[in-house]
Amino acid sequence: NAGVTQTPKFQVLKTGQSMTLQCAQDMNHEYMSWYRQDPGMGLRLIHYSVGAGITDQGEVPNGYNVSRSTTEDFPLRLLSAAPSQTSVYFCASSPRTGGASGAEKLFFGSGTQLSVL
Amino acid sequence: GDSVTQMEGPVTLSEEAFLTINCTYTATGYPSLFWYVQYPGEGLQLLLKATKADDKGSNKGFEATYRKETTSFHLEKGSVQVSDSAVYFCALSDQGTNAGKSTFGDGTTLTVKP
Repeated sequence: NAGVTQTPKFQVLKTGQSMTLQCAQDMNHEYMSWYRQDPGMGLRLIHYSVGAGITDQGEVPNGYNVSRSTTEDFPLRLLSAAPSQTSVYFCASSPRTGGASGAEKLFFGSGTQLSVL
Repeated sequence: GDSVTQMEGPVTLSEEAFLTINCTYTATGYPSLFWYVQYPGEGLQLLLKATKADDKGSNKGFEATYRKETTSFHLEKGSVQVSDSAVYFCALSDQGTNAGKSTFGDGTTLTVKP
C-alpha cells in the first residue's frame, strides 16, 4: 500500500517560473491538504479539500492554486514562484471524521523540498 | 480561530532522562488532539492521539492526557533513548465546520545524547 505519494522530492526553480507539486493517495480518503514547513514555524496550511470538486483556502494560500478533480489526486500549483516560497511542502490525507471516535489522524507524504532562486 | 502553542525548543537530554514537552491549545469546538513525530528527512507520523477530555494517548513509552480544564496535552516519557531524537509536533483537528483541517504547533526538536 503506497499511502500518500508526493513528487518530486527536490526542485529548484527560478523566480517567476511555474510548477506543479503532485500528490496522490490510494486510501480513498476524503480529506486532503497541503502544508508548508518553515524553520521555527511549524506546519502551515496552504489549501485543503474535503472531497472531489471541493477546495478551500488555509492559512497561507497566496501564490498557490489547487484543484481536486478526483478523490486520489490533489496537485499544488505555483503560478509564479517567489523566493518566499522556498520551503518544504507536505501533502496529507485523512478519512472523513469518525463521529464519536473523533477526528482521524493525517497520513503524510515524504515531502518536497523546494528552492526558489 | 484554532491555535496550538508548544514549549520552545530545542530540548537536549541525556539518555534515560525524563521528558516533558508542553502543549496548550485554543479551539472553539471539541477537537481531537495529536502528537506527531518527524524523523530527519521524513514526513510526519502519528505518535499518539486523544479524542475527548481525560483520554490518555500512549505509544512507544510516550503518554499525553487530554486536559480540557487547562486546555493542555503535554507529552511525557519516563526514560528517553537516543532513537527518540526527532521533532515533535502537537496538533488538533476539529470536526464540524473545521473538518479536514489540522492546526499544528511550531514543533520541538529533541536531541538525546548517550
